[in-house]
Amino acid sequence: AQTVTQSQPEMSVQEAETVTLSCTYDTSESNYYLFWYKQPPSRQMILVIRQEAYKQQNATENRFSVNFQKAAKSFSLKISDSQLGDTAMYFCAFTDSNYQLIWGAGTKLIIKP
Amino acid sequence: DGGITQSPKYLFRKEGQNVTLSCEQNLNHDAMYWYRQDPGQGLRLIYYSQIVNDFQKGDIAEGYSVSREKKESFPLTVTSAQKNPTAFYLCASSISSPRGEQFFGPGTRLTVL
Repeated sequence: AQTVTQSQPEMSVQEAETVTLSCTYDTSESNYYLFWYKQPPSRQMILVIRQEAYKQQNATENRFSVNFQKAAKSFSLKISDSQLGDTAMYFCAFTDSNYQLIWGAGTKLIIKP
Repeated sequence: DGGITQSPKYLFRKEGQNVTLSCEQNLNHDAMYWYRQDPGQGLRLIYYSQIVNDFQKGDIAEGYSVSREKKESFPLTVTSAQKNPTAFYLCASSISSPRGEQFFGPGTRLTVL
């Protein structure tokens, strides 16, 4: 079965610190896409970053970057210089062969002032 | 402005009643999805459709029904057969491709009285 595991149910850091959210997944596919989504208290789901599995280079989007380890099936999200607006649930997901997203249970991230 | 709209934002239902949640997109996406989210949990797929007049059951389809008569519309009916319908419902759309990230609507909060 294809699964996504986010081992940290909740994390909190001080504003301006760097935080890393972990994600591991299981799939027998060789080519797939991985995503991190953010869901702030408004509950609007927002795409943070996307990684293509066949690309070795880690994706970056401003303060957000990933550490993609394909052999280990690991896809962690690093948030640098964290801001109060980063407080949200963060979900890791990847596409299966039917183009469906397989979702993790989420990590609640709290940025403290 | 392109995007996904869901209505209503809040919905109250008496036990035994069917209710329909609306989802409309103007992104010209082929694929549309319905998810259920319970407090503190991730997303669970109810139904999805990759083309007009066709749809497939997701992981938790029992007690729900959908239709896809138009490309831009994918309404979800929560029937009286759904035993515990109180939840947050999210609609999403994407291009039909593994690289296609899903774009989400603002959600509908359904409460059974």
